[in-house]
Amino acid sequence: DTTVKQNPRYKLARVGKPVNLICSQTMNHDTMYWYQKKPNQAPKLLLFYYDKILNREADTFEKFQSSRPNNSFCSLYIGSAGLEYSAMYLCASSSQGANTGQLYFGEGSKLTVL
Amino acid sequence: GDQVEQSPSALSLHEGTGSALRCNFTTTMRAVQWFQQNSRGSLINLFYLASGTKENGRLKSTFNSKESYSTLHIRDAQLEDSGTYFCAADPGYQNFYFGKGTSLTVIP
Repeated sequence: DTTVKQNPRYKLARVGKPVNLICSQTMNHDTMYWYQKKPNQAPKLLLFYYDKILNREADTFEKFQSSRPNNSFCSLYIGSAGLEYSAMYLCASSSQGANTGQLYFGEGSKLTVL
Repeated sequence: GDQVEQSPSALSLHEGTGSALRCNFTTTMRAVQWFQQNSRGSLINLFYLASGTKENGRLKSTFNSKESYSTLHIRDAQLEDSGTYFCAADPGYQNFYFGKGTSLTVIP
């Protein structure tokens, strides 16, 4: 099973409210990523976990939090959503330690902030 | 600066014709991956290459790590091929660098 699952597929949030997005994979991949995708733009890496180590991009450091309580599961948390957070959020996983590296993406969570 | 330069940014093809998309890399990459974005905005994996050439139906991709580029060839284009295509390059330290995408329109 090479599926990455994301929930919810669609999320409507009010400005200032928190948002929690969930991702899971059963491929025993050591690395899980969160990307933000807006129309007509390339996917933007927000953060990734290599095993238990969280790496966050400098320009999104304070805007997004994440947790990875076990190898299969990773969440993305927005404490206070702003209009600019409206986007598709894509979770991906890969096996970096095994030196293969192929990215497997989930179907995405489409967030609309009103 | 950008690690991945993808071209062209937009492309129009008549049905039945073909063309190539290209990604140039400014640093050594160990692998490249090509994706097609579907109508919902999800990324569908087309190819993953550590070297050489792979073919799947009307699509073919090549990765030349020594010369730092990769190509995606589309032949006999169909209307359903319309969409945005992205390459993503793996430098080998856990991050992936995405190109800015090629918006393909197939014209009847």
